[in-house]
Amino acid sequence: AQKITQTQPGMFVQEKEAVTLDCTYDTSDPSYGLFWYKQPSSGEMIFLIYQGSYDQQNATEGRYSLNFQKARKSANLVISASQLGDSAMYFCAMREGFQAGTALIFGKGTTLSVSS
Amino acid sequence: DGGITQSPKYLFRKEGQNVTLSCEQNLNHDAMYWYRQDPGQGLRLIYYSQIVNDFQKGDIAEGYSVSREKKESFPLTVTSAQKNPTAFYLCASSMPSGEAFFGQGTRLTVV
Repeated sequence: AQKITQTQPGMFVQEKEAVTLDCTYDTSDPSYGLFWYKQPSSGEMIFLIYQGSYDQQNATEGRYSLNFQKARKSANLVISASQLGDSAMYFCAMREGFQAGTALIFGKGTTLSVSS
Repeated sequence: DGGITQSPKYLFRKEGQNVTLSCEQNLNHDAMYWYRQDPGQGLRLIYYSQIVNDFQKGDIAEGYSVSREKKESFPLTVTSAQKNPTAFYLCASSMPSGEAFFGQGTRLTVV
């Protein structure tokens, strides 16, 4: 079974609009972390935002916020006021447990296209 | 500057050849990882290492080998047993529960 599911292969949005990228996860470990990364066409992976399973508040980083719904096991990324430079592939990832060195498990990604 | 350096950026392999991808980090991270990315796909874990001289197989380890003789270095060898090696390879490192930092990637093509 997939541990991270991103159901939107592609999303299209106009500049200055907000967009939500969906992510659901599956784990039985009560301790886990959720991450979002951006991958432009250059291929580099850019860390955007993190949410721990015990965090009471939704994480925010500038124009990025994470809509964390623990009971639904969802961790959607919200980008406010989209910019042309936001066009990229976005990956949701999870690390189970907080012990040393457990690997991040990635979803298949969502391609976001922002138009003017 | 602290970071992760992967080399080479582009690599071409002939059928039956072994090739080694380099990954070096100066972030003093204990954990290092190798991922494979195919076009339009997510990242799949090949191998990871929590400490020096120790590593574990990921989901797609067949046809690959690694070593971790130094904390800073985690090279990946793509062996001739890997039948479909053409892909984008990403190396990463992290602290125990923090985000992973990635290198710029190596694009491997079989010719």
